[in-house]
Amino acid sequence: SQQGEEDPQALSIQEGENATMNCSYKTSINNLQWYRQNSGRGLVHLILIRSNEREKHSGRLRVTLDTSKKSSSLLITASRAADTASYFCGKKTSYDKVIFGPGTSLSVIP
Amino acid sequence: DTEVTQTPKHLVMGMTNKKSLKCEQHMGHRAMYWYKQKAKKPPELMFVYSYEKLSINESVPSRFSPECPNSSLLNLHLHALQPEDSALYLCASSHVAIEVTDTQYFGPGTRLTVL
Repeated sequence: SQQGEEDPQALSIQEGENATMNCSYKTSINNLQWYRQNSGRGLVHLILIRSNEREKHSGRLRVTLDTSKKSSSLLITASRAADTASYFCGKKTSYDKVIFGPGTSLSVIP
Repeated sequence: DTEVTQTPKHLVMGMTNKKSLKCEQHMGHRAMYWYKQKAKKPPELMFVYSYEKLSINESVPSRFSPECPNSSLLNLHLHALQPEDSALYLCASSHVAIEVTDTQYFGPGTRLTVL
């Protein structure tokens, strides 16, 4: 099965609100990566968090990692219509392999 | 240049056709990947090339044949595909991971329809 499961599957919010997406995984990881995908396009890397890190920030993005619960969360603050996309977490397994979870579809309503 | 390009953008083919998807990057990356993505699903890894050698094949049917002619190019040769192979095919590249931390850069994908 896929490593990394996201919830919620779909999220709809008003522009300016915060959006939180969660990702759980089953086995130990070296790192966990978050990607964004606009409809029908390629994935864009957002943030990578290593297993020995607890929190990382990039602009309006904040990622946390709780290895005891095997879970991570992605927070997007002050959302914009342009944030509308699907968001995937990916577990970096062996050497060059990233396994993606099912993703969260985010809609930001202007 | 941080771009991965893929051609064609769209491809429609019959089950008896032979076609190829192409991917190119000029970031000096020595790892390249093919993913298959069905609608509303996550990308599924198909193949990984490391230093132009096939390092991972995720049990992909032989009707998909990858090729890495040089460090900048990655091809996916298609033959005798089935309608269920219709999907978005994504190419990605990265530095070869030493500490398993490297970011993958994705192309925009080829939308494949098999009739």
